Amino acid sequence: QSALTQPASVSGSPGQSITISCTGTSSDVGGYKYVSWYQQHPGKAPKLMIYDVSNRPSGVSNRFSGSKSGNTASLTISGLQAEDEADYYCSSYTSSSTLVFGGGTKLTVL
Amino acid sequence: QVQLQESGPGLVKPSETLSLTCTVSGYSISSGYYWGWIRQPPGKGLEWIGSVFHSGSTYYNPSLKSRVTISVDTSKNQFSLKLSSVTAADTAVYYCARDQSIIMVVGPRYWGQGTLVTVSS
Repeated sequence: QSALTQPASVSGSPGQSITISCTGTSSDVGGYKYVSWYQQHPGKAPKLMIYDVSNRPSGVSNRFSGSKSGNTASLTISGLQAEDEADYYCSSYTSSSTLVFGGGTKLTVL
Repeated sequence: QVQLQESGPGLVKPSETLSLTCTVSGYSISSGYYWGWIRQPPGKGLEWIGSVFHSGSTYYNPSLKSRVTISVDTSKNQFSLKLSSVTAADTAVYYCARDQSIIMVVGPRYWGQGTLVTVSS
């Protein structure tokens, strides 16, 4: 299985909105609602930010939102804050009943 | 609150078998969910290794399947990873995790803190 495709880096200024894309195929992202997004700060374990394409776990800021169109899922962060600077990974269930991650995107808050 | 803790050797010799255990607290593995392993080479992205159900049913990453065994010990509330014939490319932080779903592998919800395993002679 091939890793999902994410941009290597994105950046934005405080208060702005950014969107990170995650592109797969009809056998993973496009075929199921099971897309998740994770935030990872340096030296820390990843944290679940979005599940089932667009749902937020309890405690996650509503500045984080998710969506999907075709084979591409997206994570949008609005009202960018310095603390949002981190690496972000998407993941998806696959038709083989396995899990695949994206390559990761480094978010820089300018 | 579900908590997971990885344990095992931090240094493994090339061609040997990497063995890690994940101890779960705050939730009984026997109650359900898939329990998995994910790794992250230094400076690189996340890679799903595989997951196990409390019954012992497993799913593995096709690229690692020939070398991986994940098992569960419900009496100790632990699950384990064995990766055989390791090389330097297997050097990574290894995370154990509990899945979001009680019936399928859709992505981790709770993560351990991770443990660095270095493959070197």
